[in-house]
Amino acid sequence: QAVLTQPSSLSASPGASASLTCTLRSGINVGNYRIYWYQQKPGSPPQYLLRFKSDSDKQQGSGVPSRFSGSKDASANAGILLISGLQSEDEADYYCMIWHSNAYVFGTGTKVTVL
Amino acid sequence: QLQLQESGPGLVKPAETLSLTCTVSSGSISSSSYHWGWIRQPPGTGLEWIGTIYYSGRTFYNPSLKSRVTISVDTSKNQFSLKLSSVTAADTAVYYCARQESCSTDSCSFYGMDVWGQGTTVTVSS
Repeated sequence: QAVLTQPSSLSASPGASASLTCTLRSGINVGNYRIYWYQQKPGSPPQYLLRFKSDSDKQQGSGVPSRFSGSKDASANAGILLISGLQSEDEADYYCMIWHSNAYVFGTGTKVTVL
Repeated sequence: QLQLQESGPGLVKPAETLSLTCTVSSGSISSSSYHWGWIRQPPGTGLEWIGTIYYSGRTFYNPSLKSRVTISVDTSKNQFSLKLSSVTAADTAVYYCARQESCSTDSCSFYGMDVWGQGTTVTVSS
């Protein structure tokens, strides 16, 4: 079982909100981790969006719009990336990442399509 | 604005050593505020952290690759480098270098990657 699991795809309409989940493997408590989020468009390197551990331990990437925000769902043992006011330019792959067992580990990635 | 640029051979033979260099511009690799990392992405798949180095030479490697990886730094040239030995086709990937902010607390050594290079494609084939 992967350390971080993400839905393979998500579709939403322009202007809607999209909630991307990053589920940690059973036995790994999301409350203990900083969750990083990256956006990657075809042919380009990943772009850092933000990191979130708690409301007092978080960072927005430089120049990243505030409509991208991070949170956690402890009941689901998951990190959440919320994209508000979805725009066509948000169509991309999104990866989460944590530091686990002495390594940075990436999630499986979610392809977001803006219909 | 900080820029990172990867360079090196695009084709490496199986069993040989892959060597790449990342040149940092508009910023100093010797800043105590940052670490410097390597990440790769095989074709059509996800991302894998390879390792990270501090300007002092202290290194951190992914345990899954540690036996084959060497990362070094040349502060005089504002560069850091990656060597991956005994390569196979599974090492074919886009290789990225990136900046990683040093942690402001004792809870970690460095944060995730916040500035990335454009990446360079390395193919392992005879």
